[in-house]
Amino acid sequence: QQPVQSPQAVILREGEDAVINCSSSKALYSVHWYRQKHGEAPVFLMILLKGGEQKGHDKISASFNEKKQQSSLYLTASQLSYSGTYFCGTEVNTDKLIFGTGTRLQVFP
Amino acid sequence: NAGVTQTPKFQVLKTGQSMTLQCAQDMNHEYMSWYRQDPGMGLRLIHYSVGAGITDQGEVPNGYNVSRSTTEDFPLRLLSAAPSQTSVYFCASSPAGAVTNYGYTFGSGTRLTVV
Repeated sequence: QQPVQSPQAVILREGEDAVINCSSSKALYSVHWYRQKHGEAPVFLMILLKGGEQKGHDKISASFNEKKQQSSLYLTASQLSYSGTYFCGTEVNTDKLIFGTGTRLQVFP
Repeated sequence: NAGVTQTPKFQVLKTGQSMTLQCAQDMNHEYMSWYRQDPGMGLRLIHYSVGAGITDQGEVPNGYNVSRSTTEDFPLRLLSAAPSQTSVYFCASSPAGAVTNYGYTFGSGTRLTVV
């Protein structure tokens, strides 16, 4: 039931782009995205509900394809502050948010 | 506005001891949940609550109890600590459940070591 994230790790230079994928074997009601820096709590980035919408703020956006049970997080022109571990959370049954194992992103100057 | 407050931040227990991890939120959120985080495993849902008096099990509930007598508080009890419960525990809250337009606010975590 745990969603699968890929890749497990990404190394970037500042200004480069990255895509993180999240897929589930079950039908999804919503997908959440969070970023966690080392030793800190996860921080909410965005949520996507059924409807195949795309959202974004600043240079981080996400899409949700409910037919394929997949979501992707797009980070463009990455900054040093983007470093951290990204988690997707999927909701397949009312009120249970199940997280993937995370994608570690490192951005270097 | 404190958000989600977890206490203690660190705790060392001996095998077989019991303890309660505290979680309190001051945002009047109906939904609260507990996760544990282990290296390479991501965040795993232990228990959750959709409102005062209502709790339910998550992915890994064994060895843990919860209750929700008020909207603000959602304590997690370890009945008889085991080394396998060594982990970082996060409490999270939201105005409503997962299928809404609200993200979760996480507390700063409790790092628990069972020896």
